[in-house]
Amino acid sequence: AQSVAQPEDQVNVAEGNPLTVKCTYSVSGNPYLFWYVQYPNRGLQFLLKYITGDNLVKGSYGFEAEFNKSQTSFHLKKPSALVSDSALYFCAVRIVKAAGNKLTFGGGTRVLVKP
Amino acid sequence: NAGVTQTPKFQVLKTGQSMTLQCAQDMNHEYMSWYRQDPGMGLRLIHYSVGAGITDQGEVPNGYNVSRSTTEDFPLRLLSAAPSQTSVYFCASSLDRGVNNEQFFGPGTRLTVL
Repeated sequence: AQSVAQPEDQVNVAEGNPLTVKCTYSVSGNPYLFWYVQYPNRGLQFLLKYITGDNLVKGSYGFEAEFNKSQTSFHLKKPSALVSDSALYFCAVRIVKAAGNKLTFGGGTRVLVKP
Repeated sequence: NAGVTQTPKFQVLKTGQSMTLQCAQDMNHEYMSWYRQDPGMGLRLIHYSVGAGITDQGEVPNGYNVSRSTTEDFPLRLLSAAPSQTSVYFCASSLDRGVNNEQFFGPGTRLTVL
């Protein structure tokens, strides 16, 4: 069965420092990977996705993610964090032929950026 | 475009009551889904639909029903509410079931069952 793990419940970082949110996955086929962000009392917003091609994917708000097939990871990164990046981040994986091509989400990582 | 809309935003039910959570999208998306969000568990798929008249179960369908009579609407019905259904519910849509399509989420409904 496919699964996604986000090993850190919370990440604390000072404003201006690099931000990394970790994600590892386990699937039996080719993975299609996504990152979403959730601000307080809001729905999830799409940040970026990896489908195929370049392992470094650039997304919204200055975020990027690196797909590493050998380590089965898809870590989210931002070179210089902002206080406004404080939110809940979800990694998700989708594989072909899964029921409805459904997304499987990780448990989420709360990011707190301190001024 | 309003995107994905959900009503109500908040709801309190007593055990055994029934209710319907409304979801609508104005993007002409074929694929719609319902998730519940519980602390530390991410989002879990309840039901999904790949088009009008077609629905199927996700990973946690028990206690919920759905229908898809139009492309725009995808209501979620709680048949007999239980405290275990206390959660935040999100509706989402995407262009179709293609694996490279991102999903658009509604603002959520926070449900408490007493």
